[in-house]
Parts: sequence; C-alpha cells; structure tokens
Amino acid sequence: GAGVSQTPSNKVTEKGKYVELRCDPISGHTALYWYRQSLGQGPEFLIYFQGTGAADDSGLPNDRFFAVRPEGSVSTLKIQRTERGDSAVYLCASSLDAGSVYEQYFGPGTRLTVT
Amino acid sequence: AQKITQTQPGMFVQEKEAVTLDCTYDTSDPSYGLFWYKQPSSGEMIFLIYQGSYDQQNATEGRYSLNFQKARKSANLVISASQLGDSAMYFCAMRGYNQGGKLIFGQGTELSVKP
Repeated sequence: GAGVSQTPSNKVTEKGKYVELRCDPISGHTALYWYRQSLGQGPEFLIYFQGTGAADDSGLPNDRFFAVRPEGSVSTLKIQRTERGDSAVYLCASSLDAGSVYEQYFGPGTRLTVT
Repeated sequence: AQKITQTQPGMFVQEKEAVTLDCTYDTSDPSYGLFWYKQPSSGEMIFLIYQGSYDQQNATEGRYSLNFQKARKSANLVISASQLGDSAMYFCAMRGYNQGGKLIFGQGTELSVKP
C-alpha cells in the first residue's frame, strides 16, 4: 500500500512568512508524529497525535508552531513568523497505534528553507 | 529524562565484512523499546529492527541483529556481510512505555562500505 506522504517536498520562504506542511499517513494508522531534523543531527520530536487529539506537544519549540489533525488522518504543521533557525527537514511518521511495540513509518520529509 | 548516545560519527567497513554500530541509552522508564533506523542519502528513514526491554532474546532481522546488554544500557546494531547499499546514516532511537509514542534519537553514525 501507499506509504506516508508529505507535501511539499521543498519549501523556500522568507523570514516572517507563514508556512503549512502537510502529512498524509498510512491508511488505518491512528498515531501520527512530527519530527524536525537539522543538518547533521538526529530527528527531534515535535508533537504526536493519537486520533484527532494532540497526545504530546512537548517538543514544539515555541508558540509559533502549531499542528492539527482534524479528522484523524491528514495532519498539517503550521509555522508562523518563520525564522532562519526554523530551516530544517520536517519529518512525519505514522504507526498503527502509539504503543511502544509499533514501529513508526516515516515519510520523505519536507525541506524548509527560510531566507 | 531519556537520552541516546551514538559515539561513532563515522565508520568504514569492507564489503562482505560485519560491522557493529554502538548505541548506549539512559532512561528511568522500567519498560522501553529500542529501534534502529537507516537513512540513505535520499533522506527517508527506514525501520530496521526493534528490541523490547523485556525481550529475552536479542532481535534479528535478516542481516541485522541487535546486541542488547540491558545492564550496560547498550543496544548495538550488528550488520553482517556488509553490502555497498548499506552505506547510509544509522540512527538508534528509544521509546519509553510511559512516554507515549515519541521516539528519542541519537546523533547517528555514518557508515561507508568500501568495495
């Protein structure tokens, strides 16, 4: 079946602008995760959803970052007033459930560049 | 707090030989899961292998095996019979059963397989 998809694959934006990054998880997966990967680093957790609700948003760096998953499927990560430090690859992953034994399947990522 | 440490920024191995990638972890969770992911230059994270903290046997998946030493808090990945296509970044990650679904990643090890 289809894997996790993310759009756009690349996004270049000017400092101060608003951006939306979209994630389409694997069909039937109830858990969805967002991570951010800076150059040369491992992915860093941002937020995860179990169904429609954000179960843990402790990784969001500040209130400029927000994510939604209104129907329990597609999720959108929203970044307001972008800063150059927001430049990174944003990875989305989904799993059957949020339980620890379930592996997470990752999408190809969105490379965000803030100029 | 949870932490993953990968002390080898880069490793080289000759094709067809075995290689061990090191991973140590720290957690206060009594139960947790350990994961290894491969990230080729294309950027997508590929799940390789999982080990539960209460699993009695070390996990194996084809050419991948996990050398789990709970007392030492280490979860090293062993790749047997290395292939040129194994050249990639490798990330160790963990998830505490009491931490919900989020994965904590290490810094990664870049593996280069020489012909």
